[in-house]
Amino acid sequence: SAVISQKPSRDICQRGTSLTIQCQVDSQVTMMFWYRQQPGQSLTLIATANQGSEATYESGFVIDKFPISRPNLTFSTLTVSNMSPEDSSIYLCSVEGFRGHTEAFFGQGTRLTVV
Amino acid sequence: RKEVEQDPGPFNVPEGATVAFNCTYSNSASQSFFWYRQDCRKEPKLLMSVYSSGNEDGRFTAQLNRASQYISLLIRDSKLSDSATYLCVVKGVEYNFNKFYFGSGTKLNVKP
Repeated sequence: SAVISQKPSRDICQRGTSLTIQCQVDSQVTMMFWYRQQPGQSLTLIATANQGSEATYESGFVIDKFPISRPNLTFSTLTVSNMSPEDSSIYLCSVEGFRGHTEAFFGQGTRLTVV
Repeated sequence: RKEVEQDPGPFNVPEGATVAFNCTYSNSASQSFFWYRQDCRKEPKLLMSVYSSGNEDGRFTAQLNRASQYISLLIRDSKLSDSATYLCVVKGVEYNFNKFYFGSGTKLNVKP
C-alpha cells in the first residue's frame, strides 16, 4: 500500500486563523483527494487535487475557504481558511492510482479543533 | 438519494458469530467496489475489493450483484478485533475523473 504522510496529525486553532495540512506520498499517484469527516459520520469529499491546475471542488466547498495546491504527483496541501468552530473535523488526504492500484489509500488524518 | 446506502447499525454480536452487512448503490455505471474498515479515530483502510464472481479472504466474503446494485460482506467466526465501522465504497467516473462514493458505514461491536 501507499505510504502517505499527513501533517499535522492534530491541531487546536483560534477562530479566524488558517491551517495548512500537508499530504506527501512516497510514490507518484494519479489522483489525490481531500475529505472531511465529522464525528460519527462518513466521509465528505471536499475536492479533487489536480496536478498543475486548479482543484475540482464539490458542491458546498469553495476555493476561497479551502484552497488546495498540488505542485507535483506526490504532494498536496489543503488550507482551511478563516476558521470557525464549524470547521472542527477530521480532514483526510486520499490517493488513487498508486503503482497501478485502483483502490483509495488514506493518510492518517488531521484532527482539527477550532476554538 | 444517496449514492451508497448502508444500514448504520450498530450490529452487536457475540464472538464466533457470523454477521452480514449489505449495501446498495444508485449508479448502474459504477466501476469498482470495495469494503473498507475504519477503527475509531483512525483512517479508513481497505479490507477487500468486491468482484462479480465474489471473493473470499479468510473469514471475510464479499459479493457483488450488479443487476440488483447490491454489495454484501460476510464475516464468519467474529473476533473481538473485528469491532469497527465497515464502509461500503463504490468507484465511478464523473466528468472524466474517478470518484469514490462512501456509504455512511455500518458499526460492528463484537462482544466476549
